[in-house]
Amino acid sequence: NAGVMQNPRHLVRRRGQEARLRCSPMKGHSHVYWYRQLPEEGLKFMVYLQKENIIDESGMPKERFSAEFPKEGPSILRIQQVVRGDSAAYFCASSPSVVASQTDTQYFGPGTRLTVL
Amino acid sequence: DAKTTQPNSMESNEEEPVHLPCNHSTISGTDYIHWYRQLPSQGPEYVIHGLTSNVNNRMASLAIAEDRKSSTLILHRATLRDAAVYYCILRDTGNQFYFGTGTSLTVIP
Repeated sequence: NAGVMQNPRHLVRRRGQEARLRCSPMKGHSHVYWYRQLPEEGLKFMVYLQKENIIDESGMPKERFSAEFPKEGPSILRIQQVVRGDSAAYFCASSPSVVASQTDTQYFGPGTRLTVL
Repeated sequence: DAKTTQPNSMESNEEEPVHLPCNHSTISGTDYIHWYRQLPSQGPEYVIHGLTSNVNNRMASLAIAEDRKSSTLILHRATLRDAAVYYCILRDTGNQFYFGTGTSLTVIP
């Protein structure tokens, strides 16, 4: 039973390029969460998605960032026109419940480490 | 916007118990207390969660104060593999986990 998978594990982009981060949740999981972790800091919530729906994007920056979780395929976090401040580790988590609840356990992937030159 | 307060770092000797404290004085009646840990260069990993009663599982125990304004994660016998950053998180009826900066646990052989 494979865990949450993220790719690539490391991504280097130059300023102004686009970054696409992929997350495949655990089998049977219908909820996906994205978090960002800056160096020496804790994780910050970005967005919560279910299949084909964005449920909560209150943590997403207003510009350049978008996320999707299509009916088929992985969830994608897309960062357009990257800047150096976007350099961070981006973690995806998934949870199994049909309806998200306070007791849900989130299963995290290994993260994608984005470096913007 | 983190709702919990933890010491930045702690040390423990190998094979001794470790008590990791967490203050959450603004906790509401419906907030669950979750603990996760993050090993170096990895994603966070679930440890334990609870609401009011103390909880035990194969990894750890969670002791929750009667007024729920604080809790303690207990590792009964620390091993070198327990060296990690431990996050105490409140989960409310919303969708977010609020991660603070956590406690960095060092285990001394």
